[in-house]
Amino acid sequence: DAMVIQNPRYQVTQFGKPVTLSCSQTLNHNVMYWYQQKSSQAPKLLFHYYDKDFNNEADTPDNFQSRRPNTSFCFLDIRSPGLGDAAMYLCATSTGTDTQYFGPGTRLTVL
Amino acid sequence: QKEVEQNSGPLSVPEGAIASLNCTYSDRGSQSFFWYRQYSGKSPELIMFIYSNGDKEDGRFTAQLNKASQYVSLLIRDSQPSDSATYLCAVPEVYNFNKFYFGSGTKLNVKP
Repeated sequence: DAMVIQNPRYQVTQFGKPVTLSCSQTLNHNVMYWYQQKSSQAPKLLFHYYDKDFNNEADTPDNFQSRRPNTSFCFLDIRSPGLGDAAMYLCATSTGTDTQYFGPGTRLTVL
Repeated sequence: QKEVEQNSGPLSVPEGAIASLNCTYSDRGSQSFFWYRQYSGKSPELIMFIYSNGDKEDGRFTAQLNKASQYVSLLIRDSQPSDSATYLCAVPEVYNFNKFYFGSGTKLNVKP
């Protein structure tokens, strides 16, 4: 089945220790997104790629970076995680003209 | 004013009842609207989308759109305990379909 896969599903890191979250898709969608979602809040868009065209939201902290080496994969790097970065990180994909399809998410805990 | 607003709830309904979830949006030019269901600790999954004024039915779910009043609703008929979740309304930016504005969701509790 075509799908969006995120690894790991759960990530525990220490304050200030860099972490990388990964997302892959078999849908062959042009657009890939990274969202941050905290409890009882709306998903907050961090970045999206239309093919290799990178789009950074104005309020995304510099601590967050992203890479999309090819159509199928996208990575989220958190350079120096703080306690406030503990959240669910959601990857999503779309064709750019239709709905967004979400992966299962990575729950990040910062100790 | 937020782009998409929802009552956070919780909305409690008895099993078998109709649950009505509402969403308002700020941009009068918005053309398409999406409802996602999110179980606790899980990611959002698409329930329905609607583009045209009026009603759209899919099984027990009906989406209602009123562009003049700038609201979109989701009705769940014959509610089941398995429908207990948070329902997110999402509206793409008018000139950039790649950017969705999400509401913070309405938590629905269906009591057996």
